[in-house]
Amino acid sequence: AQSVTQLDSHVSVSEGTPVLLRCNYSSSYSPSLFWYVQHPNKGLQLLLKYTSAATLVKGINGFEAEFKKSETSFHLTKPSAHMSDAAEYFCVVSALSSGSARQLTFGSGTQLTVLP
Amino acid sequence: EAGVAQSPRYKIIEKRQSVAFWCNPISGHATLYWYQQILGQGPKLLIQFQNNGVVDDSQLPKDRFSAERLKGVDSTLKIQPAKLEDSAVYLCASSTLTGGWLGTEAFFGQGTRLTVV
Repeated sequence: AQSVTQLDSHVSVSEGTPVLLRCNYSSSYSPSLFWYVQHPNKGLQLLLKYTSAATLVKGINGFEAEFKKSETSFHLTKPSAHMSDAAEYFCVVSALSSGSARQLTFGSGTQLTVLP
Repeated sequence: EAGVAQSPRYKIIEKRQSVAFWCNPISGHATLYWYQQILGQGPKLLIQFQNNGVVDDSQLPKDRFSAERLKGVDSTLKIQPAKLEDSAVYLCASSTLTGGWLGTEAFFGQGTRLTVV
């Protein structure tokens, strides 16, 4: 079975400063990993994904994440926060279940606040 | 391409009543998911279909929740009878089964916000 731990439920940064949202995962198999963003009253949107190619993954809107197998981490970063980045962010692991089906397991989410 | 469609967007019912949600996935997507997202929490998988067969319903409260995906296309999720703790956003998602499918993204609908009073 797999699981995802998002280490911070809330992160607050000032506009123009770096963003770091932390994610640790557990998986019995070699996983794929995703970051999704959810703006209020909007659907979940994919930011980026890791699928066993390059360990540093670039996504939309200037976000990137680094897969570190030794640390079982997949932290999301952005060099400079923008007001429009304020939203809920979810780390997701994709792995095979015991029944050989693909399972998507979500973390509990990190609420990002961007201060002017 | 058209996205995942869900209806209704909002629903308010009294406890012990029944309710149904509808989802139309992206055309050609074999896998369909229903998630429950309680306020302040991450989405939790309720049921997963591959074509019209169930591959995972281990977290579906089967005494009150049911779901079907006739003909492997659209799907309905039903709650009967509803409880106060069922208040949540119900998300539908779909994905393909093409090569490298562990890494294929799931596309989400906007969800149905259910309030049970």
